[in-house]
Amino acid sequence: NAGVTQTPKFRVLKTGQSMTLLCAQDMNHEYMYWYRQDPGMGLRLIHYSVGEGTTAKGEVPDGYNVSRLKKQNFLLGLESAAPSQTSVYFCASSYSPLPLHFGNGTRLTVT
Amino acid sequence: QQPVQSPQAVILREGEDAVINCSSSKALYSVHWYRQKHGEAPVFLMILLKGGEQKGHEKISASFNEKKQQSSLYLTASQLSYSGTYFCGLSAGGTSYGKLTFGQGTILTVHP
Repeated sequence: NAGVTQTPKFRVLKTGQSMTLLCAQDMNHEYMYWYRQDPGMGLRLIHYSVGEGTTAKGEVPDGYNVSRLKKQNFLLGLESAAPSQTSVYFCASSYSPLPLHFGNGTRLTVT
Repeated sequence: QQPVQSPQAVILREGEDAVINCSSSKALYSVHWYRQKHGEAPVFLMILLKGGEQKGHEKISASFNEKKQQSSLYLTASQLSYSGTYFCGLSAGGTSYGKLTFGQGTILTVHP
């Protein structure tokens, strides 16, 4: 059972470039989330989804977009990357909607 | 508003006890505790719902004081495997779904 899988694990972007992070879960969870983690800041919610075809803004949504076309996948997009988006990104999913099951993270560096 | 965890870091010898506190300025519905080892994903430890009930997980337990808007995580007879960063996540309940607001984390290091 894979749980929550994030791809890629590492990525380096130049300022202004775009990219998409993929999160896939095989637990049939309704709820999915994207968090970012920065030193001394804990985890901050970017966007979340309460079901296929739905998305909503979290605490720090600016500069990011998301899509949930299939129940098992939740995509996080950066249209024009900025150095302030250098972070570790965690995807999570849940059933009820808690507790959260986290993926192993994507380390993104924007130069 | 982000909950405040204290202390920021704790260093223990195996077998010693520790307490990690999590305080909020907002009314709480539930408190969630996660542990993250270096380079890994956070892992769920326990949830405490409104009502103050103390939950346990092996030698790790927690309490939730609604009046004080505070939760405490108790680690007794610590083991090397307890090392990591502990996060509390707070939910306001209602339509907030899984919108947890996490504290900044407490780094726990257990030495032999």
